[in-house]
Amino acid sequence: GQQVMQIPQYQHVQEGEDFTTYCNSSTTLSNIQWYKQRPGGHPVFLIQLVKSGEVKKQKRLTFQFGEAKKNSSLHITATQTTDVGTYFCAIAGGSYIPTFGRGTSLIVHP
Amino acid sequence: DSGVTQTPKHLITATGQRVTLRCSPRSGDLSVYWYQQSLDQGLQFLIQYYNGEERAKGNILERFSAQQFPDLHSELNLSSLELGDSALYFCASSVVGTEPDTQYFGPGTRLTVL
Repeated sequence: GQQVMQIPQYQHVQEGEDFTTYCNSSTTLSNIQWYKQRPGGHPVFLIQLVKSGEVKKQKRLTFQFGEAKKNSSLHITATQTTDVGTYFCAIAGGSYIPTFGRGTSLIVHP
Repeated sequence: DSGVTQTPKHLITATGQRVTLRCSPRSGDLSVYWYQQSLDQGLQFLIQYYNGEERAKGNILERFSAQQFPDLHSELNLSSLELGDSALYFCASSVVGTEPDTQYFGPGTRLTVL
């Protein structure tokens, strides 16, 4: 099945710094989803990207889908302690079996 | 609150035992997914049901089985438990399940096998 590599695995930032996590696939993706899981919580859907080169924003979060639809990124501007958690990308292949990246754990130091 | 409920919240059992995890999807959702989350393996897709029928199967062990009932709730049965089965088990639901639509996750069941 399709696989997706997510980097970095961990990211420590000072509050106010920016943060970016990346997802890369060796094959063209039909779509990509992003989820956030707070410590001790469950994954929560953030957004879905479908179009080549698509950019979507949610307040301080910016999501991008690569032109070749093989990679995606999530960028957080001016992190806050409420941004702490693990961010996952997820893909669904032709058979719609969902595959999640290993996630990037964001640690924000006040 | 996602609207997906899972019981029990915690489960502690011994090796060799069998347990059943229960999931109730959001009202109106026809599709249910089961995932296993462990520290070293991340979030692993196990199986998906849509309107009572199995739709997709992931890395689910033969010792594990699942079903979705007419009222759309689902159960995941884990048997001959091993220490390595200790993990968080999430259920998620979606409206259709035939395209990559949004999945709503339940709070999870933490299984500890001693």
